[in-house]
Amino acid sequence: GQNIDQPTEMTATEGAIVQINCTYQTSGFNGLFWYQQHAGEAPTFLSYNVLDGLEEKGRFSSFLSRSKGYSYLLLKELQMKDSASYLCAVRDDDYKLSFGAGTTVTVRA
Amino acid sequence: GAGVSQSPRYKVAKRGQDVALRCDPISGHVSLFWYQQALGQGPEFLTYFQNEAQLDKSGLPSDRFFAERPEGSVSTLKIQRTQQEDSAVYLCASSDEGSGNTIYFGEGSWLTVV
Repeated sequence: GQNIDQPTEMTATEGAIVQINCTYQTSGFNGLFWYQQHAGEAPTFLSYNVLDGLEEKGRFSSFLSRSKGYSYLLLKELQMKDSASYLCAVRDDDYKLSFGAGTTVTVRA
Repeated sequence: GAGVSQSPRYKVAKRGQDVALRCDPISGHVSLFWYQQALGQGPEFLTYFQNEAQLDKSGLPSDRFFAERPEGSVSTLKIQRTQQEDSAVYLCASSDEGSGNTIYFGEGSWLTVV
């Protein structure tokens, strides 16, 4: 089976940095995705890692270590609109994504 | 359209009623997925289509759930004799095999069974 773990909740202050960790144990690995989901809305794609290392995209960065089964999503210069659920997902074969339960990030003024 | 479109956005069904949820993927996308998302949880895989072929239906929770994509574009997820435990958001997603990486989600159909 697939096992994808991430913290349930995190709170941070506007302008700060937050790091959301994700650990996974899956039967196969063909990439790790991070999605952002605001309440009542569709998950929207943030980042994709398939090789070890850091991918930076504006205020968001994502890191992957395949040997450790570990990823993190780094959100810098937090804004109120970043309050959302962040979903870690692993593609374990050619097509299927398995998701973690999501991390709810609350940004306080 | 520009994104994945789903209808209805909200559906209230009486227990035992049949429902049909529609997904219109991004034009030209080969792959289509259905996911079920319970409140406070991540999406759970239901089924996968490549064009009109249903290649994986391992996530469908019971034989009351049926999905089709007869012409390789629009898909319908049908739930027969709905039960309260079927209450969830049903997300459709599509991807372009050519891009290989990004899967785009629709806003979901919120099903409440009363």
